[in-house]
Order: sequence, then structure tokens, then C-alpha cells
Amino acid sequence: DTAVSQTPKYLVTQMGNDKSIKCEQNLGHDTMYWYKQDSKKFLKIMFSYNNKELIINETVPNRFSPKSPDKAHLNLHINSLELGDSAVYFCASSQDGGRGLAEAFFGQGTRLTVV
Amino acid sequence: DQQVKQNSPSLSVQEGRISILNCDYTNSMFDYFLWYKKYPAEGPTFLISISSIKDKNEDGRFTVFLNKSAKHLSLHIVPSQPGDSAVYFCAASGDTGGFKTIFGAGTRLFVKA
Repeated sequence: DTAVSQTPKYLVTQMGNDKSIKCEQNLGHDTMYWYKQDSKKFLKIMFSYNNKELIINETVPNRFSPKSPDKAHLNLHINSLELGDSAVYFCASSQDGGRGLAEAFFGQGTRLTVV
Repeated sequence: DQQVKQNSPSLSVQEGRISILNCDYTNSMFDYFLWYKKYPAEGPTFLISISSIKDKNEDGRFTVFLNKSAKHLSLHIVPSQPGDSAVYFCAASGDTGGFKTIFGAGTRLFVKA
């Protein structure tokens, strides 16, 4: 029974397309995150939501829009995909009120390739 | 500006020996530190953490040491096992103008049998 699941695992798409990545956690956590791991392998936070409320919004192009329909879901929609968006995107959740004071549970990642 | 630095991209250790992975940070507002392990094609998994009020935390074969004055932490794995071969990420969090966790670039550990 997967704790944090994200779909799809692989996504290959053409430049200019719009795509979504879905994430669900069944841990009852109050905070969910999106991280991007780029070609240099850095894991950088993009967004975090605490109880459906956006609390962290890093310097991310506004082509990226997170949507949290409820506490258990945080989806990432990307408009007008660019080559530089190619990366592995990780969803994560934690129970720490968004303060980063507890371990996060990560999904398996979505490898996005823009061609 | 890398606030969390793992200066060794890789480390190779013989099975049974100690593995020491290092991490440095620059922001004195960090007050909670974590280590994650990552296998290929999987998400990171939590390993061990330490609060800034402590200087050592131990969990089985894994011990994390924190030196606040040097802004340095290290992860010791004793004894190292081939299954420990993975990428290890150091992470730090605190009120740095918004609470967020900053990850280092990771160190790839190879444990040779």
C-alpha cells in the first residue's frame, strides 16, 4: 500500500504541450510538497501546501500551477512545456505544519522529458 | 547560492568499515537537519534526523553528529553494508524567511563487498 503515489512515472511530451502530474498520500499528513531534481541532481522545493493552503511558492515560472483539491492530493499542472522543464519531479508529504520539522515521505518520482 | 553543501560527490568504502558522509551549511537559522537515502528510480527515504539542541543522534548503525559552531554535520554508518550503496542527501530546515527544507546535492556511496 503505497504511502505517497504519483502518476505517471514517466512522461515524454513535446514542447508547448500542457501536462499534469498527480500526487496522492494516504498517510493523513497535513503538508504536501513538490520538488524538482534537475540534471545536476539538486532537489529543489517548488511548492508546499499545508491543509490545502499554499505556504511555499519558490521562484518557479507561473507556467507551473499546483492544485490541492484536498489534504491528500497535490497535483502539478505545467503549461507550455519547455526543454528546460525536463527533470524528475518528486511529490512528498509530512506531518509538521509545513515547518519542515519532520521527515518527509517521497513518491517514486515522475521523469518528465520534453522533446 | 547553496546553503547546504555536500562537497564529496562520491565515496567508496569497503564492507564492514565505517562510512562518513559530510555536510556543511551556511545559514545559522537552520535548526533541524535530516539525512535521506535514495536508490535509483525511487524517491528519497528518510534515514535519521537531529535537532540543533543536540550534537548526536544514533539509530542502529547510523549516527549523525552536529557541530553548530562549525556549521557541519556528518553521518556515520558502521558497519557499512553493500545494501547501503545509494545516494545520501543532507537536508536542513528552519525559519529562513519561510519554513522550507533545503537539500544538498547528495553523495553517492559505494560499499564494496
